[in-house]
Amino acid sequence: GAGVSQSPSNKVTEKGKDVELRCDPISGHTALYWYRQSLGQGLEFLIYFQGNSAPDKSGLPSDRFSAERTGGSVSTLTIQRTQQEDSAVYLCASSLSGRAGGNEQFFGPGTRLTVL
Amino acid sequence: TQLLEQSPQFLSIQEGENLTVYCNSSSVFSSLQWYRQEPGEGPVLLVTVVTGGEVKKLKRLTFQFGDARKDSSLHITAAQPGDTGLYLCPQGGGGNKLTFGTGTQLKVEL
Repeated sequence: GAGVSQSPSNKVTEKGKDVELRCDPISGHTALYWYRQSLGQGLEFLIYFQGNSAPDKSGLPSDRFSAERTGGSVSTLTIQRTQQEDSAVYLCASSLSGRAGGNEQFFGPGTRLTVL
Repeated sequence: TQLLEQSPQFLSIQEGENLTVYCNSSSVFSSLQWYRQEPGEGPVLLVTVVTGGEVKKLKRLTFQFGDARKDSSLHITAAQPGDTGLYLCPQGGGGNKLTFGTGTQLKVEL
């Protein structure tokens, strides 16, 4: 398909374990975004990539969260020592360029993370 | 601090009814987008409005951007169950990220 894909679709883990969430953006999209959506909360920005660089990491909630992007394409969001409050749907989006508000962001279906 | 409010927070209506949802910000939108998110999916862009006072129509959906570009409304005529979802109007602007409110959760019942 030509859309944004994310894997896994669901992840159940135990408190304290590390998890990796993957995002495959639309081919040719230089900008990639990670958001988190918790029950009853709006989508919360985590990090933005332009190419392989992350000029805005302001939304990462703690140093347990990190992300990287390689080859200007696939991105991985890693959460170390997961806590129950990390349980949420993690959404990835991509856009042609990094100008928010003027460019459409295409979202993936998300990864639902449950930390027991 | 920017404040982004959407109202109502929840709306449950019968098929065929009309409805309007609202998006208000404490600051000016450089442009405004409406997204709809269905259960188990990511948000999908419905429309982008740029000019104050602009009105755009998408089938039964009518989007209006306030003259001062600080508010917007979405009116749905003759709602259908397929309109069910979470309606979002994130704030973009000078940054590279979208700032979302909690949205309006719409349920259209048969």
